[in-house]
Amino acid sequence: NAGVTQTPKFQVLKTGQSMTLQCAQDMNHEYMSWYRQDPGMGLRLIHYSVGAGITDQGEVPNGYNVSRSTTEDFPLRLLSAAPSQTSVYFCASRLDSAPNTIYFGEGSWLTVV
Amino acid sequence: AQSVTQLDSQVPVFEEAPVELRCNYSSSVSVYLFWYVQYPNQGLQLLLKYLSGSTLVKGINGFEAEFNKSQTSFHLRKPSVHISDTAEYFCAVSVYTGANNLFFGTGTRLTVIP
Repeated sequence: NAGVTQTPKFQVLKTGQSMTLQCAQDMNHEYMSWYRQDPGMGLRLIHYSVGAGITDQGEVPNGYNVSRSTTEDFPLRLLSAAPSQTSVYFCASRLDSAPNTIYFGEGSWLTVV
Repeated sequence: AQSVTQLDSQVPVFEEAPVELRCNYSSSVSVYLFWYVQYPNQGLQLLLKYLSGSTLVKGINGFEAEFNKSQTSFHLRKPSVHISDTAEYFCAVSVYTGANNLFFGTGTRLTVIP
């Protein structure tokens, strides 16, 4: 049971480049979400999904796109990276029937230069 | 809307001393409350959570937290800290309704001094 898997773990981008952070879970969880963590700001919700084909915005969605074509995968896309998107990104998932038990990935460290 | 306030951004404490990390929340509906720990350059680990029932919740590594509904607080305590407790601690809240999204406080960095 792999849990929540994030790739890549580390990435350096140039301003204006695009990239996708991958998140996959093998627990058949309906709910998935993306957070970014910045010093002094805690974790802030970027986007979330309550099931395949359904996505919604969180607290800080600007500059990010998501899609949920399958239950297992929830990729986060940066279309034109900016230095302000330098952060640590965490993916999370849980069952709808267990809203109090959330599983986090190990994080993806992204630097935009 | 719900929010979480962690009143102290940094807490230094001597080894074997007690510590309390403060957390207050605001919400118009009932909430679930959580404390997470993050060791340097690592992911998040759940320390404990309050769902319902007894207001005193015991977690891993000797930590406990008390839910106080009247004061909308969920402070984390440990009677005697160890060097290995040095980490960042996050309080988080989710509400009973809607998507049950988890919202985090800004974190408290606990530094245990030998």
